[in-house]
Amino acid sequence: DQQVKQNSPSLSVQEGRISILNCDYTNSMFDYFLWYKKYPAEGPTFLISISSIKDKNEDGRFTVFLNKSAKHLSLHIVPSQPGDSAVYFCAVRDDKIIFGKGTRLHILP
Amino acid sequence: DTGVSQDPRHKITKRGQNVTFRCDPISEHNRLYWYRQTLGQGPEFLTYFQNEAQLEKSRLLSDRFSAERPKGSFSTLEIQRTEQGDSAMYLCASSLVLGEANSPLHFGNGTRLTVT
Repeated sequence: DQQVKQNSPSLSVQEGRISILNCDYTNSMFDYFLWYKKYPAEGPTFLISISSIKDKNEDGRFTVFLNKSAKHLSLHIVPSQPGDSAVYFCAVRDDKIIFGKGTRLHILP
Repeated sequence: DTGVSQDPRHKITKRGQNVTFRCDPISEHNRLYWYRQTLGQGPEFLTYFQNEAQLEKSRLLSDRFSAERPKGSFSTLEIQRTEQGDSAMYLCASSLVLGEANSPLHFGNGTRLTVT
């Protein structure tokens, strides 16, 4: 059973607009959440994280929001750029890292 | 290059053959992880080491799979009697864990295995 769910396999966004990627998790005991980005033929790279004691963490164009009561987190990218086209994985830390299936983001020119 | 390196990048083998992959983590990292990724899926956890001790193995890791990290540095993942279902990208990652402090995982570029 999937503990981390990314229900949108793909998302297309116009360049310059906001990209919003969503993620749901099942276990309210998870206390640390991460987003990874993956280009083809490369391993995933760490993007941004958030601890359960916060509800928002911002790093440049990237902001992660955490809604603990809904067991939901989202990644906002604004403004979206062509280089943001990649697969984005939501993940939770439970000693090891547990990943969702990913959302493929296409930034349209 | 001080990142995680994996060798080989690609491996094509015939069903029934044994294969071995190597991972060199970031030198100061004490944890090393193996993941497997198939098309349309996220990385799936296989096993991890803290220094040379293998601390957890997923039930995905059948008895045909074995991983070692003999000196707490590089690691090898061996698959015996490969099956077509073993075809996947095998990813290695490392991190530094000191008490409660836990750095994010740093991944290598993976070894793509094709079993024919």
